[in-house]
Amino acid sequence: DAGITQSPRHKVTETGTPVTLRCHQTENHRYMYWYRQDPGHGLRLIHYSYGVKDTDKGEVSDGYSVSRSKTEDFLLTLESATSSQTSVYFCAIKRAGGYNVYGYTFGSGTRLTVV
Amino acid sequence: TQLLEQSPQFLSIQEGENLTVYCNSSSVFSSLQWYRQEPGEGPVLLVTVVTGGEVKKLKRLTFQFGDARKDSSLHITAAQPGDTGLYLCAGAEAGTASKLTFGTGTRLQVTL
Repeated sequence: DAGITQSPRHKVTETGTPVTLRCHQTENHRYMYWYRQDPGHGLRLIHYSYGVKDTDKGEVSDGYSVSRSKTEDFLLTLESATSSQTSVYFCAIKRAGGYNVYGYTFGSGTRLTVV
Repeated sequence: TQLLEQSPQFLSIQEGENLTVYCNSSSVFSSLQWYRQEPGEGPVLLVTVVTGGEVKKLKRLTFQFGDARKDSSLHITAAQPGDTGLYLCAGAEAGTASKLTFGTGTRLQVTL
């Protein structure tokens, strides 16, 4: 979808190395999210941001950190990659459509393989 | 953490058949959404429902939010091969700062 870009789209890295995934939006949305998607688990929230330098943990945040120094960029860092972090990572922005009515727009995902 | 259970997990049907996918939880949601995801892409929002008992239609897709706002269903009439994909429900509890919890999904395959 126009307005949200993830990079890289694919990455293979070695166990123990740090990895940073980037999410970039062009529409000035306040809320941004990082999810991981694994078979049998669906989409699980890692971290989210509600503004510049304002972030909070999701349900599977161990081993991950995030930063948001500009409205348009939300970075996800795997501090020391492990094989259990092999997954597809999705970034999302929240689009407001009125009181209590909103939807997420997702990026196309980053497929990360830790070997 | 709220748990969203979807059923069935897999569904393989022929073109023209009808189907219903269910999304259930013990938690009350302030809103519930349905997404469709195709291979290699992110989920795409289909609908948001916010009022208990609400019914929304999107062409051949009918979405219903339970009266108690704990469950939802997606009904597809006369399925087509283009309906093939992973269907995800997602709910937000009140006061959760817009965090959505996703179900594990229903993988639908529609064949000719």
